[in-house]
Amino acid sequence: DQQVKQNSPSLSVQEGRISILNCDYTNSMFDYFLWYKKYPAEGPTFLISISSIKDKNEDGRFTAFLNKSAKHLSLHIVPSQPGDSAVYFCAASAIRTGANNLFFGTGTRLTVIP
Amino acid sequence: ETGVTQSPTHLIKTRGQQVTLRCSSQSGHNTVSWYQQALGQGPQFIFQYYREEENGRGNFPPRFSGLQFPNYSSELNVNALELDDSALYLCASSLDRGQETQYFGPGTRLLVL
Repeated sequence: DQQVKQNSPSLSVQEGRISILNCDYTNSMFDYFLWYKKYPAEGPTFLISISSIKDKNEDGRFTAFLNKSAKHLSLHIVPSQPGDSAVYFCAASAIRTGANNLFFGTGTRLTVIP
Repeated sequence: ETGVTQSPTHLIKTRGQQVTLRCSSQSGHNTVSWYQQALGQGPQFIFQYYREEENGRGNFPPRFSGLQFPNYSSELNVNALELDDSALYLCASSLDRGQETQYFGPGTRLLVL
């Protein structure tokens, strides 16, 4: 049972434009959400996180949005750069249960075209 | 500050064999989690160790076992390897078990023939 879903396996965006990556979850116990970027032959690199008490968290070109009522989160990258081309995973955890193990989506491959 | 390291980087085993994968956590981190990432999938949680004790386990059979040492480094052992165990095995560490962010190592790619 996939509790975190990324329904778009791939996304192509022109350099300088906005990239929007989406993620949905089903478990209402999730209270912390993270985005990771992964290059081939490397482990996932932490990008940005957002707690369930917020609806937006911004860090430079990256902004994470959370819509709790819709159980939906998104990652905006503005402006997109060719170096952003990678696989992006969203992940969720239920910190209030005392465990921080992560539940991942299946990833979205972002290609930024120069 | 040293990040999470894993060894070996690649490994080839045959069905039925046993394998041990190793992970050194980031400096100051006392919690280590292991994940399995099959091709085309997101990482799946195997188990977590906090201060040398297992602190949670995902939906993996008992032939997946682990250890954490006093220096917080960790091992993942898999017995009776099956073809479906072929995957990238990722180790992640966090400052504490209640700490929200986990930091990943580069992974060990295991191929079972």
